[in-house]
Amino acid sequence: AQRVTQPEKLLSVFKGAPVELKCNYSYSGSPELFWYVQYSRQRLQLLLRHISRESIKGFTADLNKGETSFHLKKPFAQEEDSAMYYCALSSTGTASKLTFGTGTRLQVTL
Amino acid sequence: DTGVSQDPRHKITKRGQNVTFRCDPISEHNRLYWYRQTLGQGPEFLTYFQNEAQLEKSRLLSDRFSAERPKGSFSTLEIQRTEQGDSAMYLCASSPGTGGLIEQYFGPGTRLTVT
Repeated sequence: AQRVTQPEKLLSVFKGAPVELKCNYSYSGSPELFWYVQYSRQRLQLLLRHISRESIKGFTADLNKGETSFHLKKPFAQEEDSAMYYCALSSTGTASKLTFGTGTRLQVTL
Repeated sequence: DTGVSQDPRHKITKRGQNVTFRCDPISEHNRLYWYRQTLGQGPEFLTYFQNEAQLEKSRLLSDRFSAERPKGSFSTLEIQRTEQGDSAMYLCASSPGTGGLIEQYFGPGTRLTVT
């Protein structure tokens, strides 16, 4: 069975501080990992996916298969980063259905 | 707005009543997904369509739940004999459906409250 764990319900940081949102997964095969974000009063949207190795809005995430982790990082937090962040896993061959973690609320304060 | 739309946005119903939700995916998206999200949890997969064919259903989808996508465009999710435990946000998502790992675009959700 596949599982995604986000250990922190809330992460509060000051503006300009580094951010790391933790995500660990369990899956026996070769997963694809994603970060989704939900800003206040907006719908869930894709932030980034590991396969693209891209940086979106200053965020990056590296898949570490040895530690089964996909932590989301940003060197300098901005107020507009305040949102709910979900880590999600998709197993190949299952038409991309997603298994989500419970989410971490990021709160960036001045 | 050319994104995924869902109707209604909110539904309050009494226990035992039937409810139906509608999802309109992005035009020409072959795949359509339903998820359910309860308070403090992430979305949980319910079912998925490739065009009009329902190809996978989660064990979460009890026999009181039924989903259809009759013409491969919009989809409906019906819950019969609602229970308080059905109270949740029901999310619909669509994707182009070619290849394996395609971005899913989510709708705003329908919030169901069963009293």
